[in-house]
Amino acid sequence: DQQVKQNSPSLSVQEGRISILNCDYTNSMFDYFLWYKKYPAEGPTFLISISSIKDKNEDGRFTVFLNKSAKHLSLHIVPSQPGDSAVYFCAASSSGSARQLTFGSGTQLTVLP
Amino acid sequence: DADVTQTPRNRITKTGKRIMLECSQTKGHDRMYWYRQDPGLGLRLIYYSFDVKDINKGEISDGYSVSRQAQAKFSLSLESAIPNQTALYFCATSDAAGRKETQYFGPGTRLLVL
Repeated sequence: DQQVKQNSPSLSVQEGRISILNCDYTNSMFDYFLWYKKYPAEGPTFLISISSIKDKNEDGRFTVFLNKSAKHLSLHIVPSQPGDSAVYFCAASSSGSARQLTFGSGTQLTVLP
Repeated sequence: DADVTQTPRNRITKTGKRIMLECSQTKGHDRMYWYRQDPGLGLRLIYYSFDVKDINKGEISDGYSVSRQAQAKFSLSLESAIPNQTALYFCATSDAAGRKETQYFGPGTRLLVL
């Protein structure tokens, strides 16, 4: 039973446009959410996070939105660049799980020049 | 220099063989983790360690064992490898000091069990 779901395995976006990656979760105890980016032959790298006490966190071109009532978060990338092409993983944790991360299955983003 | 290193980067082995994957970190973090990644399944936690004397099973620990030799070293062993252990393996570290943890990953080990 997947507690963190990324229902879109892939997404293609034109350079300069907005990329929106979505993530849903089922465990209401999750209180911290992260996005990781992964290039081929490399490990995942931390991108941005959000605590459940917030509904938005912004870092440059990257913004994460959290809708707790819908148990949904999204990552917006504006403007998208070809170098953003990677697999994006959503992850969640709770204090009750000793801060273990539960990952989604990932979304392959391709930004077309 | 990379903060989290994994050796080997690639490994091919045969069913029944014992193999060890090693992880070292220079970040000074207390917590270390082993994950495996399979297509369509994301990353799943195998084992984690909060300090040298603390080892915990993760979601999919069967068929694996670990050793925390020092704060900076955490190794993963497959006692008798089987083909469905073919996967990409990642080591990660995090700092227990913060209430909200971010994990930092190594480059991965690609393992093929024939």
